[in-house]
Amino acid sequence: AQRVTQPEKLLSVFKGAPVELKCNYSYSGSPELFWYVQYSRQRLQLLLRHISRESIKGFTADLNKGETSFHLKKPFAQEEDSAMYYCALSQHNAGNMLTFGGGTRLMVKP
Amino acid sequence: SAVISQKPSRDICQRGTSLTIQCQVDSQVTMMFWYRQQPGQSLTLIATANQGSEATYESGFVIDKFPISRPNLTFSTLTVSNMSPEDSSIYLCSVGGQDQPQHFGDGTRLSIL
Repeated sequence: AQRVTQPEKLLSVFKGAPVELKCNYSYSGSPELFWYVQYSRQRLQLLLRHISRESIKGFTADLNKGETSFHLKKPFAQEEDSAMYYCALSQHNAGNMLTFGGGTRLMVKP
Repeated sequence: SAVISQKPSRDICQRGTSLTIQCQVDSQVTMMFWYRQQPGQSLTLIATANQGSEATYESGFVIDKFPISRPNLTFSTLTVSNMSPEDSSIYLCSVGGQDQPQHFGDGTRLSIL
């Protein structure tokens, strides 16, 4: 069975510091990985998907199949990055259903 | 991306009653899903709502407790039946398609007294 692990429930950094939110997965097939973000009082929204290989709001994430990881990184955190971040895995052969990690709350202090 | 409207946004219900949550999309979508987010927890998939056929439920969720309808490609409902305090959660609708990432509604915050 597939599983997504986000080892940190809370990550607190100062503005301008680098950020790395960790995500590890276990899945026997070929997964698609996503990062979703939920800002305060807003709906859950897609931040990144690994196949897009793009940078959104300065965030990047690289799929490392050897380490089964999909860590989210940003070189310089901003206060507006404070939010809840969820890593999720999709199985193409199961109708794109998502398995979510436990989430990491990022707090960026001024 | 599709605009997803979920109603009600929140409700407070008495135990033993049932509540139906609606999810309306502004365009036809292939896949619709229902998730639950219990307090302080992550999202857990309840079921995939299949148009014109019975929903596909995940382990731990049953049709008698969470009946789902999907009469067409733009609308689905989730009913939480015979509610107990343990059903207090946020219930979210999402839509997607093959090779399309899922997008979520605002959710329904449900409290059971």
